[in-house]
Amino acid sequence: EVVMTQSPATLSVSPGERATLSCRASQSVTRNLVWYQQEPGQAPRVLIYGASTRATGIPARFSGSGSGTEFTLTISSLQSEDFAVYYCQQYSYWPLTFGGGTKVEIK
Amino acid sequence: EVLLLESGGGLVQPGGSLRLSCAASGFTFSDFHMSWVRQAPGKGLEWVSAVSGSGDTTYYADSVKGRFTISRDNSKNTLFLQMNSLRADDMAVYYCAKRIRPTGGHFEYWGQGTLVTVSS
Repeated sequence: EVVMTQSPATLSVSPGERATLSCRASQSVTRNLVWYQQEPGQAPRVLIYGASTRATGIPARFSGSGSGTEFTLTISSLQSEDFAVYYCQQYSYWPLTFGGGTKVEIK
Repeated sequence: EVLLLESGGGLVQPGGSLRLSCAASGFTFSDFHMSWVRQAPGKGLEWVSAVSGSGDTTYYADSVKGRFTISRDNSKNTLFLQMNSLRADDMAVYYCAKRIRPTGGHFEYWGQGTLVTVSS
């Protein structure tokens, strides 16, 4: 099983600041990596897939990078609606596996 | 518009059974692998099970193998999850999810979820 490790578990950021979230895979998943955003009581929403492709309707302040085992999600200037939990997930191998999540909270 | 609507959640005693359903619309259901993903209260996401478009091939997380059975009725555009021998750690919101490509890719669409509570 590919273990996905996200860091940090919690990130405290002020509105307007930059946030950098990390995701590490225990073995290479090439670029088969997706980032989801989840707000309380809601289903996850796709932000970035293929490691770096923004999903339809996702603002340009969200960007993804990386390949193989190291991935990064960057939010360039945090808006109030961005305070949420973010998950990475690999879709190279069964079982499909998620990271434990990073909660982005208001500083 | 793609819609996924789960139902069947509720309160069940440890050791009991429950059958979840997911009614799908807005796409050619039989073309796509479908999955169940769950989220325990206050915890992260865990993929549970998947089934091929034809229903011939199934996949399970180790945590549910032998206890849960995934199936589908393509004539009714409905996905199922039969859950037996339920345990306290199965308590979660269960989402059905559709991948962006028929046999791969990320989860493009999610349902709103159905809550399964396991308690005596």
